Amino acid sequence: NAGVMQNPRHLVRRRGQEARLRCSPMKGHSHVYWYRQLPEEGLKFMVYLQKENIIDESGMPKERFSAEFPKEGPSILRIQQVVRGDSAAYFCASSGQQHISGNTIYFGEGSWLTVV
Amino acid sequence: DQQVKQNSPSLSVQEGRISILNCDYTNSMFDYFLWYKKYPAEGPTFLISISSIKDKNEDGRFTVFLNKSAKHLSLHIVPSQPGDSAVYFCAASGNTPLVFGKGTRLSVIA
Repeated sequence: NAGVMQNPRHLVRRRGQEARLRCSPMKGHSHVYWYRQLPEEGLKFMVYLQKENIIDESGMPKERFSAEFPKEGPSILRIQQVVRGDSAAYFCASSGQQHISGNTIYFGEGSWLTVV
Repeated sequence: DQQVKQNSPSLSVQEGRISILNCDYTNSMFDYFLWYKKYPAEGPTFLISISSIKDKNEDGRFTVFLNKSAKHLSLHIVPSQPGDSAVYFCAASGNTPLVFGKGTRLSVIA
């Protein structure tokens, strides 16, 4: 998983501010996934993207959350007007092919968001 | 509605003995199953996987067993080592994004 790069590792935001989390997939991977882990919970799927396309955003909250994976540059998960409940670990993962065909996805080290 | 369940939040095992971590799923469309290991403040690390066309996959000290009729899989670690102490997540997919269980915290006691 060392190949998937996430930054920042830790981010502190006040309520109402914006949080931006970045993810660069492993070299050669074009599929990116974002997961969130709340305290004492498993990982919950948020969104699946390919370059310039959102493929599945069924796990994204309807408001304040957005994600993109531009043609150039990292994937970005953006949380507007953060609230205390957004405090969590956000993990990005990547794969070379669509994982539903049985390919493994590899995770980054995570970004820990704390909202104060 | 939890589609992937790991009913044991924690497990303690003596060093050198076998660790058995269990996982149940409800969605019969799942056809690919994975185990991830996670240390605190780190990302999940892929451990081993199994396709629904198999009932066993082995990689060194790690073996995953799949019982499709029971919708159950298990991860066997033998012999267990102190470095295996971590949280283990079971995950499943089948035309869906990976669905994770809540994890089992394994403690291997020296």
